[in-house]
Amino acid sequence: TQLLEQSPQFLSIQEGENLTVYCNSSSVFSSLQWYRQEPGEGPVLLVTVVTGGEVKKLKRLTFQFGDARKDSSLHITAAQPGDTGLYLCAGARGGNTPLVFGKGTRLSVIA
Amino acid sequence: GAVVSQHPSRVICKSGTSVKIECRSLDFQATTMFWYRQFPKQSLMLMATSNEGSKATYEQGVEKDKFLINHASLTLSTLTVTSAHPEDSSFYICSARKGPGGSNQPQHFGDGTRLSIL
Repeated sequence: TQLLEQSPQFLSIQEGENLTVYCNSSSVFSSLQWYRQEPGEGPVLLVTVVTGGEVKKLKRLTFQFGDARKDSSLHITAAQPGDTGLYLCAGARGGNTPLVFGKGTRLSVIA
Repeated sequence: GAVVSQHPSRVICKSGTSVKIECRSLDFQATTMFWYRQFPKQSLMLMATSNEGSKATYEQGVEKDKFLINHASLTLSTLTVTSAHPEDSSFYICSARKGPGGSNQPQHFGDGTRLSIL
């Protein structure tokens, strides 16, 4: 059973378009983290959201944590080729437990 | 920032060889470190959780005698793939988490090790 359902799995868009990636669960998480990974490298942390309803912005990226802390979204405005990569959401379940990762969204932005 | 260094970045060796991968937190103390395996175009698969000074906790299906993990200090964890075979070829990634704070603390990742067993 996948605790975190991430969608879409693949996304190919033109430069300048907007997109949203979703991360959904039936479980409540104490926090949720978003990572971006490029081929041959480790994931890089983009943001951590902790409070239900929280919205964080990182330049053209907007992250939202659902009110019930069961879901999150990542919205990218005016996507650029440099945004290409694997985006991973990961939920924290409290204590000293490891993160639960979604299956990832592979984004390709075409110039 | 929080920097995690993983070494080596790439290993190519013959079947039957044992391979050691090091993971170091360079500018923070990592109470907990994690080891992942990633297959092509897939997400991360957790192999084990390692706490400094104690035995690692392995995920179901991961052979602890095959994948030896040592976390001897707050800045170093090692993964040894013993008697590696071609099916062990993969991308192995470590991550480290600052302590205390538990799972809400972000995990910082190394750049991975590409292991190829011939």
